[in-house]
Amino acid sequence: QKEVEQDPGPLSVPEGAIVSLNCTYSNSAFQYFMWYRQYSRKGPELLMYTYSSGNKEDGRFTAQVDKSSKYISLFIRDSQPSDSATYLCAATPTGGGNKLTFGTGTQLKVEL
Amino acid sequence: DSGVTQTPKHLITATGQRVTLRCSPRSGDLSVYWYQQSLDQGLQFLIQYYNGEERAKGNILERFSAQQFPDLHSELNLSSLELGDSALYFCASSPGRGDGQPQHFGDGTRLSIL
Repeated sequence: QKEVEQDPGPLSVPEGAIVSLNCTYSNSAFQYFMWYRQYSRKGPELLMYTYSSGNKEDGRFTAQVDKSSKYISLFIRDSQPSDSATYLCAATPTGGGNKLTFGTGTQLKVEL
Repeated sequence: DSGVTQTPKHLITATGQRVTLRCSPRSGDLSVYWYQQSLDQGLQFLIQYYNGEERAKGNILERFSAQQFPDLHSELNLSSLELGDSALYFCASSPGRGDGQPQHFGDGTRLSIL
């Protein structure tokens, strides 16, 4: 079993929809959680960063972490065709040398 | 643009050969990380260097090695290449070595083994 599980999709939504992307994890030591966006033939781009449980909002993006259920979410409001990409969740523990453990990524397509 | 530069963008070589991938971190970043991305395994951490010293290791093969130079650029050396080494290799950097520091990625080197 992978330490971070993510539904690979693909997920297809109409423009303007609210998108919900989710990950679960098994390692209780994970304390730092990130969401990356990866366009085809590009490197992962850091979107959101959270520490421990709670919510964080940045523009159209909201990240949620629920450590009690080991659940990580990313919400995208008013989705745009430019949001079409693969979204990767990642986590790292305290004292782990900052090595990120990634989910496999969810492919999102926002259609006109 | 993340500020992390990786060269070359593409490499095509044969089994048994050796290649060197290069990474220049963002200005001011002291930590460099290497990751491998393949279709079946996803993004996997290989190794981290901080200010020239090895800081953390993942499931990096013995045929692979890395180093970070005084000017903070890093090189990943892959030897005795096998077909299964075909993948995207990413470099990331962060300012320090502390836990949870956000990592910024380059656009990768695509390695194809024929």
